[in-house]
Amino acid sequence: GNSVTQMEGPVTLSEEAFLTINCTYTATGYPSLFWYVQYPGEGLQLLLKATKADDKGSNKGFEATYRKETTSFHLEKGSVQVSDSAVYFCALSASSSNTGKLIFGQGTTLQVKP
Amino acid sequence: DGGITQSPKYLFRKEGQNVTLSCEQNLNHDAMYWYRQDPGQGLRLIYYSQIVNDFQKGDIAEGYSVSREKKESFPLTVTSAQKNPTAFYLCASTFLTGGDYGYTFGSGTRLTVV
Repeated sequence: GNSVTQMEGPVTLSEEAFLTINCTYTATGYPSLFWYVQYPGEGLQLLLKATKADDKGSNKGFEATYRKETTSFHLEKGSVQVSDSAVYFCALSASSSNTGKLIFGQGTTLQVKP
Repeated sequence: DGGITQSPKYLFRKEGQNVTLSCEQNLNHDAMYWYRQDPGQGLRLIYYSQIVNDFQKGDIAEGYSVSREKKESFPLTVTSAQKNPTAFYLCASTFLTGGDYGYTFGSGTRLTVV
């Protein structure tokens, strides 16, 4: 079946450090891949997405590249800020499904210290 | 502005009581979803609906019920059969045709049993 695996958190970084949050997936066909961010007490917001192999999604300094050969979609940011502290979810949308359902990873908590 | 609205933001339920969580969207999205989130955990799918007057169980439907009488609305009832309802509930919606859009989420309802 389809699944998403994220690195366990929490990830604790100092301000201006480089961020990587690993995400790997298992899916048949050619899924679309997403990163969502959740700030405390709020719903999830779409951060970026990629719909085919080798696509790079980017937004607000965050980037992720759809790597089909390694079934990965790692999230990166060159210089994190305290305001980036949140929970990050990786997700996939199976191309074989017409339900629109997303499969989510468990989430990774990021704490950025000044 | 288009969006998805959940209400109330906080809800308190007494033992043996049914409560209904509201979810309304004005995005003309086809499909709507309900998720449950427990502290420090990922999202678990409760119910989803792809079309008016039709819905399907997710992974943890026991103790919950839904209706989809209008495209814009997808209320969730937490019944007295749900023994551990204290959680953060998230509603989401998306288009089903034209590509992989991912979800738009509401801001959530925090339900507490008192």
